Amino acid sequence: KNQVEQSPQSLIILEGKNCTLQCNYTVSPFSNLRWYKQDTGRGPVSLTIMTFSENTKSNGRYTATLDADTKQSSLHITSAQLSDSASYICVVSARMDSSYKLIFGSGTRLLVRP
Amino acid sequence: DTGVSQNPRHKITKRGQNVTFRCDPISEHNRLYWYRQTLGQGPEFLTYFQNEAQLEKSRLLSDRFSAERPKGSFSTLEIQRTEQGDSAMYLCASSLGDSGGAREQYFGPGTRLTVT
Repeated sequence: KNQVEQSPQSLIILEGKNCTLQCNYTVSPFSNLRWYKQDTGRGPVSLTIMTFSENTKSNGRYTATLDADTKQSSLHITSAQLSDSASYICVVSARMDSSYKLIFGSGTRLLVRP
Repeated sequence: DTGVSQNPRHKITKRGQNVTFRCDPISEHNRLYWYRQTLGQGPEFLTYFQNEAQLEKSRLLSDRFSAERPKGSFSTLEIQRTEQGDSAMYLCASSLGDSGGAREQYFGPGTRLTVT
């Protein structure tokens, strides 16, 4: 069964600290993996998209890694700011016949405190 | 602002009433997707269009749900005889081509539905 599991479910960190969010997937055949940031009451906004051959991708203070062998990804946030408080959703794309299916994780809720 | 707009942003309705939501995608995007998201969960796929053709519907889309994209531009999602279990955020997204193939999918701000 195609699944995306994220951990932790929620996380509280202090402003200026670093944190790492985890994503494990059992999706096949794998096409790509995305991380989205979703502010409360808003739609998700894309942070990174990584294909099979990419191990790491950065977007400002956000760095995503992908290990396609172990089917794991992480999102590292450096020097967290209050505006980083949001849900972070891992999404894996699977190739199905002639189209693709996006499988969403449940997200990690991050709260950054002053 | 991603360029995808949704209206209304919030809707409160009584059980049994019909509701309709609208999504305006980015103008050149040929694919439009509808998702439902409940609290603490990721979005769940409902249906998608390529231009005006509805190509796939999830099993989540019961007979009470209908979606249209009549001219291949904006789309509407209607829920008939609403139930309390329909309370959720309804998200629309659009893309140029098949977004699963590493193309960006841009989400709207969502419509929050509360059924009382």
